Amino acid sequence: KNEVEQSPQNLTAQEGEFITINCSYSVGISALHWLQQHPGGGIVSLFMLSSGKKKHGRLIATINIQEKHSSLHITASHPRDSAVYICAVAGNQFYFGTGTSLTVIP
Amino acid sequence: SQTIHQWPATLVQPVGSPLSLECTVEGTSNPNLYWYRQAAGRGLQLLFYSVGIGQISSEVPQNLSASRPQDRQFILSSKKLLLSDSGFYLCAWSGVARETQYFGPGTRLLVL
Repeated sequence: KNEVEQSPQNLTAQEGEFITINCSYSVGISALHWLQQHPGGGIVSLFMLSSGKKKHGRLIATINIQEKHSSLHITASHPRDSAVYICAVAGNQFYFGTGTSLTVIP
Repeated sequence: SQTIHQWPATLVQPVGSPLSLECTVEGTSNPNLYWYRQAAGRGLQLLFYSVGIGQISSEVPQNLSASRPQDRQFILSSKKLLLSDSGFYLCAWSGVARETQYFGPGTRLLVL
């Protein structure tokens, strides 16, 4: 069993739709990260969370420490949001989910 | 500000040839350094991490090795590449607190 599970694995949405990506983890953590990997391979950090909720533009990330669960929401999705979104947790080491491949269709 | 470099960006190598990928970090001291591999359609797999010069921890037994000859330099090597070594290799660094990792641009390796 993986320490970090993401769902869905693949997601296709129409432009403008509200998108949710889920992440569950099974280890103790000090922080949870949402990463975005562009088609070229580069990875950028979107959020680092240890509690509650963070918002950056159209992106919202939430975490429930008791339930060991986090969600990434994208409001008013746009084709440029198409990427792989990776959930990662920082415990005694870093654990990564396998990613959610998002395609937003114009 | 801190930056992380990897080279080469892409590499095509024949089976059985050696490999050396280099990663350097600027703007920070004594970083934790990591090598990851991302195979096609799969998640990131931690290969090696280092908390200091000459200190290497291996997470997965494999055909690869890592070295840290300087504080901000991390090298991934192989004496003889296998087809299964193909993938996207990412270097990352973090501070001692390990709360956030910063990724390099990656090296895409194709072994033929």
